[in-house]
Amino acid sequence: AQSVTQLDSQVPVFEEAPVELRCNYSSSVSVYLFWYVQYPNQGLQLLLKYLSGSTLVKGINGFEAEFNKSQTSFHLRKPSVHISDTAEYFCAVRIQGAQKLVFGQGTRLTINP
Amino acid sequence: ETGVTQSPTHLIKTRGQQVTLRCSSQSGHNTVSWYQQALGQGPQFIFQYYREEENGRGNFPPRFSGLQFPNYSSELNVNALELDDSALYLCASSSRGQGGQTQYFGPGTRLLVL
Repeated sequence: AQSVTQLDSQVPVFEEAPVELRCNYSSSVSVYLFWYVQYPNQGLQLLLKYLSGSTLVKGINGFEAEFNKSQTSFHLRKPSVHISDTAEYFCAVRIQGAQKLVFGQGTRLTINP
Repeated sequence: ETGVTQSPTHLIKTRGQQVTLRCSSQSGHNTVSWYQQALGQGPQFIFQYYREEENGRGNFPPRFSGLQFPNYSSELNVNALELDDSALYLCASSSRGQGGQTQYFGPGTRLLVL
Protein backbone atom coordinates (compact mmCIF):
# COMPACT_ATOMS: atom_id res chain seq x y z
CA ALA A 1 0.00 0.00 0.00
CA GLN A 2 1.16 3.49 -0.69
CA SER A 3 2.05 5.98 2.03
CA VAL A 4 3.04 9.63 2.25
CA THR A 5 5.47 11.18 4.72
CA GLN A 6 5.70 14.89 5.23
CA LEU A 7 8.99 15.30 6.96
CA ASP A 8 8.22 18.49 8.88
CA SER A 9 5.10 18.98 10.95
CA GLN A 10 5.78 22.69 11.36
CA VAL A 11 7.90 25.13 9.36
CA PRO A 12 8.35 28.70 10.61
CA VAL A 13 9.90 31.19 8.18
CA PHE A 14 10.25 34.93 7.90
CA GLU A 15 8.30 36.89 5.34
CA GLU A 16 10.01 37.12 1.92
CA ALA A 17 12.29 34.17 2.76
CA PRO A 18 12.30 31.02 0.59
CA VAL A 19 10.63 27.86 1.84
CA GLU A 20 10.67 24.16 1.03
CA LEU A 21 8.10 21.70 2.35
CA ARG A 22 9.25 18.12 2.02
CA CYS A 23 7.19 15.14 0.90
CA ASN A 24 8.25 11.55 0.34
CA TYR A 25 6.02 8.73 -0.78
CA SER A 26 6.22 4.98 -1.09
CA SER A 27 4.59 3.08 -3.90
CA SER A 28 5.58 0.17 -6.11
CA VAL A 29 3.53 1.47 -9.04
CA SER A 30 3.13 4.73 -10.90
CA VAL A 31 1.42 7.54 -9.02
CA TYR A 32 -0.09 10.94 -9.49
CA LEU A 33 1.11 13.57 -6.98
CA PHE A 34 -0.66 16.57 -5.52
CA TRP A 35 -0.18 19.43 -3.09
CA TYR A 36 -3.21 20.96 -1.40
CA VAL A 37 -3.41 23.97 0.94
CA GLN A 38 -5.88 24.34 3.79
CA TYR A 39 -6.49 27.75 5.32
CA PRO A 40 -7.98 27.88 8.84
CA ASN A 41 -11.54 26.56 8.98
CA GLN A 42 -11.67 25.86 5.26
CA GLY A 43 -11.54 22.93 2.86
CA LEU A 44 -8.61 21.92 0.68
CA GLN A 45 -7.50 23.97 -2.30
CA LEU A 46 -5.41 22.41 -5.06
CA LEU A 47 -2.00 24.09 -5.33
CA LEU A 48 -0.46 21.96 -8.06
CA LYS A 49 -0.27 18.45 -9.45
CA TYR A 50 2.08 16.11 -11.27
CA LEU A 51 0.42 13.73 -13.69
CA SER A 52 3.15 13.14 -16.29
CA GLY A 53 5.72 14.98 -18.39
CA SER A 54 8.00 17.66 -16.99
CA THR A 55 9.08 16.89 -13.46
CA LEU A 56 8.95 20.57 -12.45
CA VAL A 57 5.39 21.72 -12.03
CA LYS A 58 4.18 25.21 -11.29
CA GLY A 59 1.05 25.98 -9.34
CA ILE A 60 -0.92 28.85 -7.97
CA ASN A 61 0.35 31.59 -5.66
CA GLY A 62 3.95 31.23 -6.90
CA PHE A 63 4.45 27.67 -5.65
CA GLU A 64 6.28 24.98 -7.57
CA ALA A 65 7.23 21.35 -6.93
CA GLU A 66 9.66 18.88 -8.40
CA PHE A 67 8.96 15.19 -8.85
CA ASN A 68 12.00 13.02 -8.22
CA LYS A 69 11.22 9.42 -9.09
CA SER A 70 14.51 7.97 -7.88
CA GLN A 71 14.11 9.58 -4.47
CA THR A 72 10.31 9.17 -4.44
CA SER A 73 9.94 12.79 -3.43
CA PHE A 74 7.72 15.69 -4.39
CA HIS A 75 8.97 18.73 -2.46
CA LEU A 76 7.08 22.01 -2.58
CA ARG A 77 8.96 25.30 -2.89
CA LYS A 78 8.34 29.02 -3.00
CA PRO A 79 11.15 31.54 -3.49
CA SER A 80 9.59 34.28 -1.36
CA VAL A 81 6.72 33.74 1.05
CA HIS A 82 4.04 36.16 2.17
CA ILE A 83 2.05 36.40 5.38
CA SER A 84 -0.97 35.14 3.45
CA ASP A 85 0.81 31.81 2.83
CA THR A 86 0.27 30.87 6.47
CA ALA A 87 -1.72 27.63 6.26
CA GLU A 88 -1.56 23.83 6.47
CA TYR A 89 -0.10 22.11 3.42
CA PHE A 90 -0.89 18.53 2.46
CA CYS A 91 0.95 16.27 0.05
CA ALA A 92 -1.14 13.51 -1.51
CA VAL A 93 -0.64 10.61 -3.89
CA ARG A 94 -3.00 8.50 -5.96
CA ILE A 95 -2.05 5.26 -7.64
CA GLN A 96 -2.90 5.33 -11.31
CA GLY A 97 -6.20 3.46 -11.71
CA ALA A 98 -7.14 3.71 -8.03
CA GLN A 99 -9.80 5.91 -6.55
CA LYS A 100 -8.46 7.28 -3.32
CA LEU A 101 -6.02 10.01 -2.47
CA VAL A 102 -3.59 9.12 0.31
CA PHE A 103 -2.55 12.17 2.30
CA GLY A 104 0.39 13.00 4.46
CA GLN A 105 -0.07 14.35 7.98
CA GLY A 106 0.36 17.93 6.86
CA THR A 107 2.93 20.67 7.37
CA ARG A 108 1.93 23.85 9.16
CA LEU A 109 3.65 26.81 7.51
CA THR A 110 3.88 29.88 9.72
CA ILE A 111 5.14 33.14 8.27
CA ASN A 112 6.63 35.63 10.70
CA PRO A 113 6.91 39.33 9.85
CA GLU B 1 -18.18 27.25 -13.19
CA THR B 2 -19.76 26.23 -9.88
CA GLY B 3 -17.42 24.73 -7.32
CA VAL B 4 -18.07 21.94 -4.84
CA THR B 5 -20.57 22.87 -2.15
CA GLN B 6 -21.40 21.10 1.10
CA SER B 7 -24.15 21.41 3.68
CA PRO B 8 -24.49 21.99 6.51
CA THR B 9 -21.29 23.82 7.47
CA HIS B 10 -21.49 22.77 11.11
CA LEU B 11 -23.45 20.13 12.97
CA ILE B 12 -23.71 18.98 16.58
CA LYS B 13 -25.09 15.53 17.38
CA THR B 14 -25.12 13.22 20.36
CA ARG B 15 -23.71 9.73 20.55
CA GLY B 16 -25.97 7.10 18.96
CA GLN B 17 -27.72 9.52 16.63
CA GLN B 18 -27.64 9.44 12.84
CA VAL B 19 -26.44 12.21 10.50
CA THR B 20 -26.68 13.01 6.80
CA LEU B 21 -24.19 15.28 5.07
CA ARG B 22 -24.70 16.61 1.55
CA CYS B 23 -22.42 17.49 -1.34
CA SER B 24 -22.99 19.04 -4.75
CA SER B 25 -20.25 18.29 -7.23
CA GLN B 26 -18.52 20.80 -9.46
CA SER B 27 -20.22 21.25 -12.82
CA GLY B 28 -18.99 18.71 -15.37
CA HIS B 29 -17.85 16.23 -12.71
CA ASN B 30 -19.40 12.77 -12.37
CA THR B 31 -17.50 11.30 -9.42
CA VAL B 32 -17.72 12.15 -5.73
CA SER B 33 -15.32 11.07 -2.98
CA TRP B 34 -15.74 11.54 0.77
CA TYR B 35 -12.95 12.01 3.30
CA GLN B 36 -12.81 12.32 7.09
CA GLN B 37 -10.27 14.72 8.57
CA ALA B 38 -9.75 14.39 12.31
CA LEU B 39 -8.22 17.32 14.14
CA GLY B 40 -4.53 17.68 13.35
CA GLN B 41 -4.56 14.86 10.79
CA GLY B 42 -4.59 14.48 7.04
CA PRO B 43 -7.85 13.48 5.36
CA GLN B 44 -8.72 9.75 5.27
CA PHE B 45 -10.63 8.25 2.34
CA ILE B 46 -14.10 6.97 3.22
CA PHE B 47 -15.51 5.99 -0.19
CA GLN B 48 -16.13 7.12 -3.75
CA TYR B 49 -19.29 7.14 -5.86
CA TYR B 50 -19.45 6.92 -9.64
CA ARG B 51 -22.60 6.36 -11.69
CA GLU B 52 -24.61 6.14 -8.47
CA GLU B 53 -22.64 3.17 -7.18
CA GLU B 54 -19.92 2.84 -4.57
CA ASN B 55 -16.61 2.58 -6.39
CA GLY B 56 -13.96 2.01 -3.75
CA ARG B 57 -14.03 2.17 0.04
CA GLY B 58 -11.50 2.95 2.73
CA ASN B 59 -11.17 1.41 6.16
CA PHE B 60 -14.48 2.61 7.57
CA PRO B 61 -17.25 0.47 9.11
CA PRO B 62 -20.58 -0.19 7.36
CA ARG B 63 -22.35 2.42 9.50
CA PHE B 64 -20.76 4.89 7.07
CA SER B 65 -22.84 4.74 3.91
CA GLY B 66 -23.56 6.97 0.96
CA LEU B 67 -25.63 7.74 -2.07
CA GLN B 68 -25.08 9.44 -5.38
CA PHE B 69 -27.97 10.93 -7.30
CA PRO B 70 -28.52 11.25 -11.07
CA ASN B 71 -27.34 14.88 -10.93
CA TYR B 72 -24.06 13.58 -9.38
CA SER B 73 -24.72 15.13 -5.98
CA SER B 74 -24.06 12.87 -3.02
CA GLU B 75 -24.91 12.16 0.60
CA LEU B 76 -22.84 10.68 3.38
CA ASN B 77 -24.81 8.95 6.13
CA VAL B 78 -23.36 7.92 9.45
CA ASN B 79 -25.41 5.78 11.83
CA ALA B 80 -24.88 5.14 15.54
CA LEU B 81 -22.56 8.12 15.94
CA GLU B 82 -19.52 7.70 18.18
CA LEU B 83 -17.43 10.39 19.84
CA ASP B 84 -14.53 9.57 17.48
CA ASP B 85 -16.71 10.51 14.51
CA SER B 86 -16.15 14.15 15.42
CA ALA B 87 -14.22 15.51 12.45
CA LEU B 88 -14.29 17.65 9.33
CA TYR B 89 -15.99 15.74 6.51
CA LEU B 90 -14.76 16.71 3.08
CA CYS B 91 -16.38 16.00 -0.24
CA ALA B 92 -14.35 16.05 -3.46
CA SER B 93 -15.56 15.87 -7.03
CA SER B 94 -13.69 14.74 -10.12
CA SER B 95 -14.30 13.55 -13.65
CA ARG B 96 -13.38 10.12 -14.92
CA GLY B 97 -10.75 10.22 -17.63
CA GLN B 98 -9.94 13.89 -17.27
CA GLY B 99 -6.88 15.50 -15.72
CA GLY B 100 -5.84 12.38 -13.88
CA GLN B 101 -9.17 12.50 -12.08
CA THR B 102 -7.97 15.47 -10.08
CA GLN B 103 -10.16 15.87 -7.02
CA TYR B 104 -11.50 19.28 -6.08
CA PHE B 105 -12.69 19.74 -2.53
CA GLY B 106 -15.59 21.52 -0.94
CA PRO B 107 -15.40 23.61 2.24
CA GLY B 108 -16.35 20.67 4.46
CA THR B 109 -18.88 19.95 7.19
CA ARG B 110 -17.61 20.08 10.74
CA LEU B 111 -19.35 17.44 12.86
CA LEU B 112 -19.17 17.44 16.64
CA VAL B 113 -20.48 14.38 18.48
CA LEU B 114 -21.20 14.88 22.19
